[in-house]
Amino acid sequence: EVQLVESGGGLVQPGGSLRLSCVASGFTFNSYTMTWLRQAPGEGLEWVSSITASSASIYYLASVKGRFTISRDNSKNTLYLQMSSLRAEDTAVYYCARDKFWGQGVLVTVSS
Amino acid sequence: DIQMTQSPSSLSASVGDRVTITCRASQGISDYLVWFQQRPGKAPKSLIYAASSLQSGVPSRFSGSGSGTDFTLTISSLQPEDYATYYCQQYNDYPLTFGGGTKVEI
Repeated sequence: EVQLVESGGGLVQPGGSLRLSCVASGFTFNSYTMTWLRQAPGEGLEWVSSITASSASIYYLASVKGRFTISRDNSKNTLYLQMSSLRAEDTAVYYCARDKFWGQGVLVTVSS
Repeated sequence: DIQMTQSPSSLSASVGDRVTITCRASQGISDYLVWFQQRPGKAPKSLIYAASSLQSGVPSRFSGSGSGTDFTLTISSLQPEDYATYYCQQYNDYPLTFGGGTKVEI
């Protein structure tokens, strides 16, 4: 059974940093592109970033490029999202996903 | 970026009704489209991929059609558990983009 479990969310002040993690199980992690998506409170879904299986290609939403860094450790079956220079508009539930499989999400709140 | 326009943004329907939701891409995306269902407080669930292929375990009352720029999600006979918000998403190119969502209500 595919499982994706996010962690690392919380309350952070504007301008602060946070690192999200997503531990994957139930599939061959190093064979799949992995993705972070988010959903602001009461809003729709938004893709944030994707990383290919070998990390050879990385893609970012324009509004997070230069502030967020996606990475993966295939030896640990773990996906990361390092977020810095956080803004109020980054407040959202962040989801880790592989194809049709999504984690349960983790809440990031940027507020003073 | 490819813009995805969904309509309607909300609809009211009764159990047993046939429901149709449309999604239009700002440029051709072949059949690289997925439909998601999201219930309140839950993660999205993929219903349809490649525009018309039903995900395993998804009831056959859900169907998808279309190619290029115009797509449709149909629920043939609405059930109580289908009250949710539905999103289309293109995966033809990065950035991946979603439609604004359609809330299906009683």
